[in-house]
Amino acid sequence: RKEVEQDPGPFNVPEGATVAFNCTYSNSASQSFFWYRQDCRKEPKLLMSVYSSGNEDGRFTAQLNRASQYISLLIRDSKLSDSATYLCVVNNDNQGGKLIFGQGTELSVKP
Amino acid sequence: DTGVSQNPRHKITKRGQNVTFRCDPISEHNRLYWYRQTLGQGPEFLTYFQNEAQLEKSRLLSDRFSAERPKGSFSTLEIQRTEQGDSAMYLCASSSPDRGQYEQYFGPGTRLTVT
Repeated sequence: RKEVEQDPGPFNVPEGATVAFNCTYSNSASQSFFWYRQDCRKEPKLLMSVYSSGNEDGRFTAQLNRASQYISLLIRDSKLSDSATYLCVVNNDNQGGKLIFGQGTELSVKP
Repeated sequence: DTGVSQNPRHKITKRGQNVTFRCDPISEHNRLYWYRQTLGQGPEFLTYFQNEAQLEKSRLLSDRFSAERPKGSFSTLEIQRTEQGDSAMYLCASSSPDRGQYEQYFGPGTRLTVT
């Protein structure tokens, strides 16, 4: 079993739709959580960190459920420019250290 | 440009040859990480440095792979006797204690093709 699991998609949605991505992680001792965005053939870029209380950044909302070991990302009013692969990422070390990536979920927003 | 830089951006080599990649982290980031990414998968951790010390190596890093960060600034990743299975994107990232070392910033990657 992979340490971080995501539905690979693709998710095909129309502009303006709301789309949700889910992710589960297997290590209950995981310390920090992130969503990264990766455009085709580019490097991953940090989208947002995920906090236990949940956090929002504009159209993006991230949630963490430590009891269920579950992380989510909600994108509201999706734009064409949101088309990318969204990577769920965890870190098991409270001093930083290596990131553990999920497979990524591909999103395609259509006009 | 003050981001992470990697060179070369693309490398095509024949099986059995040695290759070396370079990564320059963001200035004053004391941690530097190497990851490998194959098509359709998320990046996989290879190794990381804090200053010049190599703190962790993945079991993915076979004895054909070696990484160095001799002066605590740039790093090199060498692959000896390349195999077709080494074909991948090699990503470098760096982080700073000012951000709790949690946020890693990635370079554009070196895409290796072994023929």
